Amino acid sequence: DAGVIQSPRHEVTEMGQEVTLRCKPISGHDYLFWYRQTMMRGLELLIYFNNNVPIDDSGMPEDRFSAKMPNASFSTLKIQPSEPRDSAVYFCASSSQETQYFGPGTRLLVL
Amino acid sequence: AQKVTQAQTEISVVEKEDVTLDCVYETRDTTYYLFWYKQPPSGELVFLIRRNSFDEQNEISGRYSWNFQKSTSSFNFTITASQVVDSAVYFCALSEADRDDKIIFGKGTRLHILP
Repeated sequence: DAGVIQSPRHEVTEMGQEVTLRCKPISGHDYLFWYRQTMMRGLELLIYFNNNVPIDDSGMPEDRFSAKMPNASFSTLKIQPSEPRDSAVYFCASSSQETQYFGPGTRLLVL
Repeated sequence: AQKVTQAQTEISVVEKEDVTLDCVYETRDTTYYLFWYKQPPSGELVFLIRRNSFDEQNEISGRYSWNFQKSTSSFNFTITASQVVDSAVYFCALSEADRDDKIIFGKGTRLHILP
């Protein structure tokens, strides 16, 4: 298996623009997680899905963030409008039987 | 409440030395899982090991070994004969059974292996 795939790997955008991050989980995994990592706050869980259904989005910082999982092989995290404080590395992870495997991350810079 | 504490924020050792990364956890569950992840300078998060609460056997994988002690709620990680490539941030993590595979991460220990 190719592992968790994320795109893009790097994104530079201007404040106010919409940003969409994409994730393809490992086939057969029934959980999908979105995290954000910054120096100040470390690794934060934003939202997670089970069988494509959002279970807990209490970590989503504000309404500008939204996530979807239209099918078992694809998820998106959208930020609209983006702000400089959203600059971070965003990780997607998928799991089956308690172990999470992470994608390579998307490094987002909002100018 | 569940919590993972990695008291060592940063450690530097000279290559070939042994180094132990400490991890202390808190949970009220009797069934739980403990993990270590490695984040090298390239940034990806790499799964290293998972341990369930009923298996206190220590584990060795090459130069890596893990010591799980329920009596002290610790799950320490030792690298023997460290190498420069071991330089990374190491995260200890905890997951409780029936919690949707959610993991609580420690804040990480940044390990520098000096040549």
